[in-house]
Amino acid sequence: GNSVTQMEGPVTLSEEAFLTINCTYTATGYPSLFWYVQYPGEGLQLLLKATKADDKGSNKGFEATYRKETTSFHLEKGSVQVSDSAVYFCALANNAGNMLTFGGGTRLMVKP
Amino acid sequence: KAGVTQTPRYLIKTRGQQVTLSCSPISGHRSVSWYQQTPGQGLQFLFEYFSETQRNKGNFPGRFSGRQFSNSRSEMNVSTLELGDSALYLCASSKSTVYNEQFFGPGTRLTVL
Repeated sequence: GNSVTQMEGPVTLSEEAFLTINCTYTATGYPSLFWYVQYPGEGLQLLLKATKADDKGSNKGFEATYRKETTSFHLEKGSVQVSDSAVYFCALANNAGNMLTFGGGTRLMVKP
Repeated sequence: KAGVTQTPRYLIKTRGQQVTLSCSPISGHRSVSWYQQTPGQGLQFLFEYFSETQRNKGNFPGRFSGRQFSNSRSEMNVSTLELGDSALYLCASSKSTVYNEQFFGPGTRLTVL
């Protein structure tokens, strides 16, 4: 079956530091990959997505590249801000429908 | 455009009771999915409905059920509540069943005492 593994947190960084959150997956076929963000007390928001190998998703300074050879979709940002503090979830969906398989989430804390 | 709304936002029940949660999708969205979020198990898919039909179901016991109405609003029901059912229940809507971006509601926080 499908599974997603992401690095455990919390990840604590100083403002303007470089961020990497690792994500690897196991899936049959050619899934679509996503990063969602959850701010305190809120639901999930789609941050970025990639639907095929070598695609790069990007949004709000965050980037992730779909690497089929390493089954990875690592999230990166060059300079984090305090407002980026949240929980980040890596997820995949196979092409059969809307069912998302999520990783365990990584809490990011950015200090001024 | 209004987002996904879920009611109630908070709920406290006791073991053995049943509960119904409601989700109103974004206007024009016909697919509604439900997820359970707990600290121990993370985010887990419950089921997906499209045009009043259940299309996918996660690995949950039969105590968890759902339905979708002709206006795309969806309800999920949990019968014979257990302590382990305490969770944040998230609803997400999408335009169709072929993967489209899913928009999540704020969730219903269920506490079972």
